[in-house]
Amino acid sequence: AQKVTQAQTEISVVEKEDVTLDCVYETRDTTYYLFWYKQPPSGELVFLIRRNSFDEQNEISGRYSWNFQKSTSSFNFTITASQVVDSAVYFCALSEGYNQGGKLIFGQGTELSVKP
Amino acid sequence: ETGVTQTPRHLVMGMTNKKSLKCEQHLGHNAMYWYKQSAKKPLELMFVYSLEERVENNSVPSRFSPECPNSSHLFLHLHTLQPEDSALYLCASSQATAMNEKLFFGSGTQLSVL
Repeated sequence: AQKVTQAQTEISVVEKEDVTLDCVYETRDTTYYLFWYKQPPSGELVFLIRRNSFDEQNEISGRYSWNFQKSTSSFNFTITASQVVDSAVYFCALSEGYNQGGKLIFGQGTELSVKP
Repeated sequence: ETGVTQTPRHLVMGMTNKKSLKCEQHLGHNAMYWYKQSAKKPLELMFVYSLEERVENNSVPSRFSPECPNSSHLFLHLHTLQPEDSALYLCASSQATAMNEKLFFGSGTQLSVL
């Protein structure tokens, strides 16, 4: 069965520290997509990244980077030199199967608190 | 103007009330969704509409009734809710319902059922 696990419920760091948010997924499909979303206190989830199952290249976007490893079914997210504005709940999500768009399977989220 | 707008932001209702949640998207998308976010639980997909037709009903109780009059508007009609229905209800939209579509979310309606 498909599942997304974010084992870290809450993480607290001090500004400028690096922090990695873990995501482990389960799926029987060979074609799938993985996502990360950020949910700030205002409530709306904001799309951060999408990765398909055939592309294991790591990606860097500014202070954000993602490490996709199919061998361990993981899609971890690292924030370098964290800032207070990074405080939010971060969700990892899985989308699989043709004609299954929008049916994201979410992890439980990791609440990140960055203290000044 | 934000891409996806939800009203109201907060709603308190009794178990015998009838209320509606509204969602409007200004992105020209063809698909809209309702998700439920309860405390300590992952987001749960409730309904999917594509081109105004419901394509998914994720075993949601009949006390939740969606309506999609056009591709820009989505409603969630509520009646005889239970306290366990208290949650953040998020609307989202996407260009289509393909597997790789990214979703654009509204800020949600925080619902409390007394």
